[in-house]
This record gives sequence, structure tokens and C-alpha cells, in this order.
Amino acid sequence: DADVTQTPRNRITKTGKRIMLECSQTKGHDRMYWYRQDPGLGLRLIYYSFDVKDINKGEISDGYSVSRQAQAKFSLSLESAIPNQTALYFCATSASTGSTGELFFGEGSRLTVL
Amino acid sequence: AQSVTQPDIHITVSEGASLELRCNYSYGATPYLFWYVQSPGQGLQLLLKYFSGDTLVQGIKGFEAEFKRSQSSFNLRKPSVHWSDAAEYFCAVAFNDMRFGAGTRLTVKP
Repeated sequence: DADVTQTPRNRITKTGKRIMLECSQTKGHDRMYWYRQDPGLGLRLIYYSFDVKDINKGEISDGYSVSRQAQAKFSLSLESAIPNQTALYFCATSASTGSTGELFFGEGSRLTVL
Repeated sequence: AQSVTQPDIHITVSEGASLELRCNYSYGATPYLFWYVQSPGQGLQLLLKYFSGDTLVQGIKGFEAEFKRSQSSFNLRKPSVHWSDAAEYFCAVAFNDMRFGAGTRLTVKP
């Protein structure tokens, strides 16, 4: 089984719908991240969390919200999806040894908003 | 502003040729530096990282990278490219969080 699991892997939805992408990890890491990947733009940080009580906005948090339900779970929500949120979304984790270290990625969730 | 730049969007090399992928960063201090690789349909995998010490770091799959403080660069190199190296490569920097460059797509010609 994968250490970082994302669900769903693929989702097609309509404008205005609420969408939740879920991430769970078995690595025991405190730090979790949500990125989106768009062609030509690389990965951009949406939100990150250094522990259950710590949530931080990234580069592009507008239109998104997150919930850190437990150390192992970090969900990303789109309250009212719009077409320019069509992208590949990645969850990642890292250990909390000093400053940010290596990230471990899930396999991605491809979201299409029509 | 903090930024990571990969100047080359797409590079094509012949199998067996050498490779260098460029990465420049702009941060207030020296961040931690990483190179990741993404094969089609996959997540990202760490190739190598630089935290401190020797400025030439070795990674997996025969890759290496050199940190040059004076140039704010962390270029990735491989002496002889294999067809299986075709992928997208991302430079990343970590200070309080991890930020990525836009990526360089590598095509390998037979």
C-alpha cells in the first residue's frame, strides 16, 4: 500500500459544486501539504499544516479550504468549484526534523471542473 | 520576492549525451535545495538534496547537482542520459515551506 494515499484519483464535477479531496498517510509525519500542478506552472502550494493545530496558507489559497482531522489526514475542499480549478492536485508529507525536508507525494488527484 | 526559476521549459538530448538542467533561486538566505523527477502519470520522486556541506551532491539514478552560492544556482547534471530518464524535472527550495520551479521536460532521442 502507498504511504500517501489520495482519494479520489479522478473526479469530474460541475461549476458551483462542493468538492473534497482527501489525503491520508502512514508515514507518521507531522507535516502535510496540498499542491496543485498546472502545465508550465509547476507545483504551487495551496495550504500546509505542520501539526494538527497548525494550518497555513500557501501561494494560492483563495477558493480553497483545508481540514487537518488527525495527524494522518489532511483534506482539501473547494466550496464552489470553478473551471480554473481544473488541475492535478498532490498531497505530500514531510518529517518535522528542523526545517522542511524531503517531501513524499501521493499519486495525485485529477480534478476537472466543467 | 522568493522564487525558483527553471529557465528551460523543454530540453531534448540524445541517448548517451550529457545533460544539465538549470535552476536558480531568489531567497533571503540559502534555502534547502532539492531536485525531484516526475514520470508520466506519477507523483514526484526525490533525486537529491542539498542542506549544507559539500556543494556537489550525488543522487539516485546517476544524477548529481552542484550548489553555487555566488550564482544562486543548483544545476542538475548527468554524464550519460538513458531513454528512461525522459520525464519532467522540478527544482525545489525549502525555507519555511517547499516551493517548486515550473519544471523542465526532458525528451531523450534514440
